[in-house]
Amino acid sequence: DTAVSQTPKYLVTQMGNDKSIKCEQNLGHDTMYWYKQDSKKFLKIMFSYNNKELIINETVPNRFSPKSPDKAHLNLHINSLELGDSAVYFCASSNGGGTNEKLFFGSGTQLSVL
Amino acid sequence: RKEVEQDPGPFNVPEGATVAFNCTYSNSASQSFFWYRQDCRKEPKLLMSVYSSGNEDGRFTAQLNRASQYISLLIRDSKLSDSATYLCVVRSSNTGKLIFGQGTTLQVKP
Repeated sequence: DTAVSQTPKYLVTQMGNDKSIKCEQNLGHDTMYWYKQDSKKFLKIMFSYNNKELIINETVPNRFSPKSPDKAHLNLHINSLELGDSAVYFCASSNGGGTNEKLFFGSGTQLSVL
Repeated sequence: RKEVEQDPGPFNVPEGATVAFNCTYSNSASQSFFWYRQDCRKEPKLLMSVYSSGNEDGRFTAQLNRASQYISLLIRDSKLSDSATYLCVVRSSNTGKLIFGQGTTLQVKP
């Protein structure tokens, strides 16, 4: 069984469209994240949820809206897609903070905005 | 200055070589440190946490130098399968967020 699964793996769309990426984890973790990895390979946190509550919201355009229906799911909806949104988006879940924290990532969604 | 900085490389080494990467961090109050590995077009995976006294896992050794604010990763007897990007990760003491470095790419050649 895949621990953190996100769909779709590839997403190609036109500017101005609205799209969603889904994420589910079966690890029983309370904390989930969305990260964006740009063409220069920097992984930047976008959002973090703990038990369905938003705890980190970086300076991300409000076109990006996360939704967590329950602690096992964290979906990402993007409105009015722009060329600069093209990147790989990774969902992750965590077993908690501290030295022994481990992030488990999904396999990524490569978003290409044309 | 970036919170976490790494030399992106690439580091090209022959099989069997020993290679070391450094990573510097700007916040002296940072508490937790990690190395993640990312294969091409794949997701990052935890390689090892970095403990204050340094720690070893097989061919991999991680060190922390708080005075100079850097962590290091040493890989001995490099294998072809070690080819990947190694991401330095630091927990921000201010926000609790995990901050990723750009990564250092290693290519091990036969």
